[in-house]
Amino acid sequence: QLQLQESGPGLVKPSETLSLTCTVSGGSISSGNYYWGWIRQPPGKGLEWIGSVYYSGNTYYNPSLESRVIISLDTPKNQFSLKLSSVTAADTAVYYCARQSGVGATNWGQGTMVTVSS
Amino acid sequence: EIVMTQSPLSLPVTPGEPASISCRSSQSLLHSNGNNHLHWYLQKPGQSPHLLIYLGSNRASGVPDRFSGSGSGTDFTLKISRVETEDVGVYYCMQGLQSPNTFGQGTRLEIK
Repeated sequence: QLQLQESGPGLVKPSETLSLTCTVSGGSISSGNYYWGWIRQPPGKGLEWIGSVYYSGNTYYNPSLESRVIISLDTPKNQFSLKLSSVTAADTAVYYCARQSGVGATNWGQGTMVTVSS
Repeated sequence: EIVMTQSPLSLPVTPGEPASISCRSSQSLLHSNGNNHLHWYLQKPGQSPHLLIYLGSNRASGVPDRFSGSGSGTDFTLKISRVETEDVGVYYCMQGLQSPNTFGQGTRLEIK
């Protein structure tokens, strides 16, 4: 059974870079026509798609965040990562990683809360 | 980007009664392959979202048959034939046709 687990600092200072990793178990991130994505949810609010990386390495980003986001694969470690630079309090959210395909986001991590504060 | 609009945003329902949520997109979600790239998710309290319905009308694995999805183009509906207490949470529609993928605002279902 495919499982995803987010990890990374829970507290990031304003203007710094948020870095998260999603570790995938029960399947390979380099096999199949899947997109490996990041979605976030500010406290008490709805879901926002940040972007995704295709198994081939192609990336797709939300234009609202594109200038600050990098999503990449680490195939040997079966992980993918999110880097969001120049963070502000508005980036405080629960961050989810997910496996996406043409039939939706079928597998989600449990989410990790990231707070931006000095 | 494609804008997704859900209604209602709050939905109080008596157990055993039906419920319906509407989702409209600013552009057609019908792909040339005949599929509507509209998916429904449920986020139960304190949990990650999970997939309920994919491509407009297909129940995801393990989803009870009281859940059904319908619609095409820009208008979609999620129906629950008989609401159970475990159905409480926030329901989101999401379009997967174009990048960026976009979500509706969410509909909070509560038990009366």
